[in-house]
Amino acid sequence: DAKTTQPPSMDCAEGRAANLPCNHSTISGNEYVYWYRQIHSQGPQYIIHGLKNNETNEMASLIITEDRKSSTLILPHATLRDTAVYYCIVRATKNRDDKIIFGKGTRLHILP
Amino acid sequence: DSGVTQTPKHLITATGQRVTLRCSPRSGDLSVYWYQQSLDQGLQFLIHYYNGEERAKGNILERFSAQQFPDLHSELNLSSLELGDSALYFCASSVGGTGYQSPLHFGNGTRLTVT
Repeated sequence: DAKTTQPPSMDCAEGRAANLPCNHSTISGNEYVYWYRQIHSQGPQYIIHGLKNNETNEMASLIITEDRKSSTLILPHATLRDTAVYYCIVRATKNRDDKIIFGKGTRLHILP
Repeated sequence: DSGVTQTPKHLITATGQRVTLRCSPRSGDLSVYWYQQSLDQGLQFLIHYYNGEERAKGNILERFSAQQFPDLHSELNLSSLELGDSALYFCASSVGGTGYQSPLHFGNGTRLTVT
């Protein structure tokens, strides 16, 4: 079973920031938080990952709470092309037996 | 383009048949993962290989098997196919290795239709 909980769907107006929450209250100290998205039936696309510090790249920002029990993915200026299913997963640092389990994700609709 | 190549893109076959799906990982990636995604369903983890060795298994049916070859490409074999096996099958690769955090990069999938 997935170790994360996400809202099933969210709407966001085009041009606004999209803030996608994820709960991972049972996260272990050696587990990273990863975000992926899947546009229609394409292969999932890696967005960002982090351990405990906030992270930013050209696609998004990741804010992880101090207790690491939840995180938020921020798309700063959402466009119609950001409409997708967004998956938050946790993954141990030791990737020896890497069972990366995806939950149901959040279906993000960007509204024109 | 993720650099992960999956062939074929589409496959239509009959119940009871056997098919092989192929995955070429990104150059330099040692880990390969297989996922199944049925219509409107989430991604189901099937199996993980690292440098030719099976490392983790998910809910993979006994009718399904996989291999990773010395050149690091991987094949997923599906036999005695049933209508319910119709799905998108994704392969992903990563650099891999113990203690090394590397994202998964997914191919565009093989769409299998069993009639």
